[in-house]
Amino acid sequence: GAVVSQHPSRVICKSGTSVKIECRSLDFQATTMFWYRQFPKQSLMLMATSNEGSKATYEQGVEKDKFLINHASLTLSTLTVTSAHPEDSSFYICSARDASRVGAFFGQGTRLTVV
Amino acid sequence: KQEVTQIPAALSVPEGENLVLNCSFTDSAIYNLQWFRQDPGKGLTSLLLIQSSQREQTSGRLNASLDKSSGRSTLYIAASQPGDSATYLCAVNTGNQFYFGTGTSLTVIP
Repeated sequence: GAVVSQHPSRVICKSGTSVKIECRSLDFQATTMFWYRQFPKQSLMLMATSNEGSKATYEQGVEKDKFLINHASLTLSTLTVTSAHPEDSSFYICSARDASRVGAFFGQGTRLTVV
Repeated sequence: KQEVTQIPAALSVPEGENLVLNCSFTDSAIYNLQWFRQDPGKGLTSLLLIQSSQREQTSGRLNASLDKSSGRSTLYIAASQPGDSATYLCAVNTGNQFYFGTGTSLTVIP
């Protein structure tokens, strides 16, 4: 099956710094990537959808200037949490799909802790 | 390593039928289990979240159960409708990682 690699799996950063999370499709070209986050004891929620070479589409309530998404190639999307604060501590997960496959494939997530 | 399996891979039913989707996982040390719906070309929509201490959650025509000791969860859909046609995914959260099943593709025939 298709593999999506997400890195890092865990990161701890200081408040005010920026953190970049990478999502790579290893054996297929990802025309679309999705970014999700999950706060403790809450459901996984879609943050944004990105198509290769286009600006990401953000869900309502997600600050696009705070969560920068870059999908510059068909195998890589990045999510940068800028000026992170403790309330940004969450589990972030990406998924990727290509035009020829049904469904999407998921990374295993990144647990971000802002101290 | 946690492995999540969903059976069946595909299911086609006539409108109005009740149906059950199955999800099994190999390691019972989970934080929670979540059922999602995915429409073609779209991201995930969360349907139900069951914490590890819970046995059941209900939302409208949907009911999800969790038997952690046996590593099983079911999603029951009552009185199915054509709009229920989608791929249904279960995901196990171990606290450190998510493990997703490969999904059940449901088609409800009018």
